[in-house]
Amino acid sequence: KQEVTQIPAALSVPEGENLVLNCSFTDSAIYNLQWFRQDPGKGLTSLLLIQSSQREQTSGRLNASLDKSSGRSTLYIAASQPGDSATYLCALLTGTASKLTFGTGTRLQVTL
Amino acid sequence: NAGVTQTPKFRVLKTGQSMTLLCAQDMNHEYMYWYRQDPGMGLRLIHYSVGEGTTAKGEVPDGYNVSRLKKQNFLLGLESAAPSQTSVYFCASYRQGGWTEAFFGQGTRLTVV
Repeated sequence: KQEVTQIPAALSVPEGENLVLNCSFTDSAIYNLQWFRQDPGKGLTSLLLIQSSQREQTSGRLNASLDKSSGRSTLYIAASQPGDSATYLCALLTGTASKLTFGTGTRLQVTL
Repeated sequence: NAGVTQTPKFRVLKTGQSMTLLCAQDMNHEYMYWYRQDPGMGLRLIHYSVGEGTTAKGEVPDGYNVSRLKKQNFLLGLESAAPSQTSVYFCASYRQGGWTEAFFGQGTRLTVV
């Protein structure tokens, strides 16, 4: 069974800081890993998708990396802004059963 | 370009009542999923489907049934609602092989009183 852990559970940083969110998983037989953003009371918005054969993906101020051998992914946010405040979730599509399994998320607050 | 649409968006049920949540996607995706999201519990998989006519149990399937009679629709049924099923329900769809990102509906907020 795929277990996905996100650390820290919550994070508060001042505007302008660079930050790293972590996602660890137990089953390396994955198709891909995806990072999502969820605003309070809203649905999930896809941020970055990393295929199992890739090591990283970048979109604007966001960079996600994947290391299957160690079962880890990181989401790097550069020059954080108050608009980045949200919950960030990682999810893995596991190859053996086509299940999409989520971590419990990191709640980020960026203060002025 | 609707993506994933969930119906209804809000609902209040009395204990013991039944209802069906509809998820519709217009992207011709093979995989579809139903999740529930509760405070402190994250997103938990209820049931999923890897193609028309197929369904499988997820992490928390008890008290729910599903059907995928058409590729574009994935229905989640509650036969006899319980207060423990108060939650926000999300549907997602995915192209087979995982070459593109998963798409989510906006959620259904269900309260069982």
